[in-house]
Formats: sequence, structure tokens, C-alpha cells
Amino acid sequence: GNSVTQMEGPVTLSEEAFLTINCTYTATGYPSLFWYVQYPGEGLQLLLKATKADDKGSNKGFEATYRKETTSFHLEKGSVQVSDSAVYFCALSTMYGQNFVFGPGTRLSVLP
Amino acid sequence: GAVVSQHPSRVICKSGTSVKIECRSLDFQATTMFWYRQFPKQSLMLMATSNEGSKATYEQGVEKDKFLINHASLTLSTLTVTSAHPEDSSFYICSADLEGPTDTQYFGPGTRLTVL
Repeated sequence: GNSVTQMEGPVTLSEEAFLTINCTYTATGYPSLFWYVQYPGEGLQLLLKATKADDKGSNKGFEATYRKETTSFHLEKGSVQVSDSAVYFCALSTMYGQNFVFGPGTRLSVLP
Repeated sequence: GAVVSQHPSRVICKSGTSVKIECRSLDFQATTMFWYRQFPKQSLMLMATSNEGSKATYEQGVEKDKFLINHASLTLSTLTVTSAHPEDSSFYICSADLEGPTDTQYFGPGTRLTVL
């Protein structure tokens, strides 16, 4: 079946540090890939997405590139801020936005 | 655009009572909505897929008689937790499917249910 694996957290960084959160997937066909962010006590917000190989999704300084050859969609940001502290979920969908599969989430804490 | 709301955001109830949670797509129509449950510090677990005008599709292990889903219109789906028990306490999140060439699910802010 389809699955998403993320690096285990929590990840603790100092402000302005470089962030990488690894995500790899297993899926049949050609999934769309997503990163969602969840701030404390809130629902999920779409951070970025990519729908085909070599696409790069970007938003708010975050980037992720759809790598079909390595089945990866790693999230990166060059300089994190305290306000980026949240849980980040990698996800895929395989049928018109349905059949979503989420990774376990990675908690990021950014210290001032 | 693509805003999904949930109501209430937080509810506390006594064991044995029923609780209804509403999920609304505010600026688009959603023929399909999804209900998730999230335990503390864990990922989301899909409970059911709600289709407008038809019966919901439940994931394996989810009791359909306990978690009643009604998708009466293209902008509203409701989840009713019947005869709630403390083990039903959780964070419930809905999402709606924005149809199009690059389909994406948009999530509501979630409802924190606490059953005493």
C-alpha cells in the first residue's frame, strides 16, 4: 500500500539555522505530494505541494522538490524563525486529491 | 479562498451524551469531505469519507453507528459522536476536496472533544 515516512523528531534548531525534514514515500502510480503544517491547537494548513516529478513547491521560504528517482520530497528552509515552530506533515494523494496518506509528523522547535 | 470551518472548536460533554461537529466549506462547494481523528502527538487517522447525497464510507475499524456522518449539502458535513465515552476524547479534523487539475484537501481548524 501507499505510505509516507518522515524523519523522527523532535527537531530543535536555533533561529536562522538551516532546516531539512526528510520525507520519502511509497506509492503506486504518480502521486501528488504535499507538506502541511500544524500550529499548536490548530488544524492543518497546506504549506506547499507538487504534482509531478521535478516540480518544486515553495511557500513562505520553504521549498520541496518532487524526486521520483529517490521517491523523496524533503522540506527545506534556509533560515528558520521562532514562528516556524510547529508540526510538519508530509502527505501524498493518489486519486484526485483523495486517498490521502500522511506521514507521522515531525515536530520542529526553533529557539531564539 | 478554499476556507474550511469547523464548529465548535472545543466541546466538553458528559459520558453518554451525543455531540455534533459541523464542517463547512465557506467559499467553495465540496462534494467530498473527510473526517480525521488525531491523537496527541500523532498523525491523522482517516475515519470516513463523506459524500454529498449518499452514505459515508468508513475506514476499517471505525464504528459507523457511533460516528454518524451526514453530508446534507455541498457545503456542510456533520459528524455526530453518539453516546460518547472518555476514550472518544480526541481532536477531530475535517477536510474538503477542492476539485480541479491539482486536487488538494483543505483542512478545518479542528474540534477538541473532551468526554468526562
